[in-house]
Amino acid sequence: EPEVTQTPSHQVTQMGQEVILHCVPISNHLYFYWYRQILGQKVEFLVSFYNNEISEKSEIFDDQFSVERPDGSNFTLKIRSTKLEDSAMYFCASYGGNYGYTFGSGTRLTVV
Amino acid sequence: SQKIEQNSEALNIQEGKTATLTCNYTNYSPAYLQWYRQDPGRGPVFLLLIRENEKEKRKERLKVTFDTTLKQSLFHITASQPADSATYLCALDRGATNKLIFGTGTLLAVQP
Repeated sequence: EPEVTQTPSHQVTQMGQEVILHCVPISNHLYFYWYRQILGQKVEFLVSFYNNEISEKSEIFDDQFSVERPDGSNFTLKIRSTKLEDSAMYFCASYGGNYGYTFGSGTRLTVV
Repeated sequence: SQKIEQNSEALNIQEGKTATLTCNYTNYSPAYLQWYRQDPGRGPVFLLLIRENEKEKRKERLKVTFDTTLKQSLFHITASQPADSATYLCALDRGATNKLIFGTGTLLAVQP
């Protein structure tokens, strides 16, 4: 079964550093998303991306965040200057027109 | 603001019994209601989707009902097995490509 692949599985970074989280969505999907889940809390929407542009973003997705689809397969989330409160699991998801979204296994980001 | 509540943080049942999980929402008119399974440290896995004009949907041992008047969905797992132990998430959206709004989840533990 097709999968959404995320790397790295765990990223530790110092506060104020930039991080880039990587995702390879399912190849024939057209809609891409980033969600995050702070430990013990619910999964929260960050941003959706379609046709090479952001289609919707949440209040969480401020100027420190950006997304990019640099080629035909990768989809990245960049956090420019990480804060302690950015520590969370970050999930990439894609949607292809069939039922349900396919999520990756996530990147655990720890900001120290 | 939109609010999604799922019943009790944890649900313990005996193997072979039917697990019933509840999802209630307010201040929202979803076009779709979806159920996901999440294992510790993993991303959500899609289980079932039900549309606003559908009352019930089944898939193998799973059944979902959707009552837009009560603003409630029930998720049933029949003949439960220890392998069904996980957190189950309810998620709403207004269209197939729109963002998902997740509930906090219900942790199901099936005892052998």
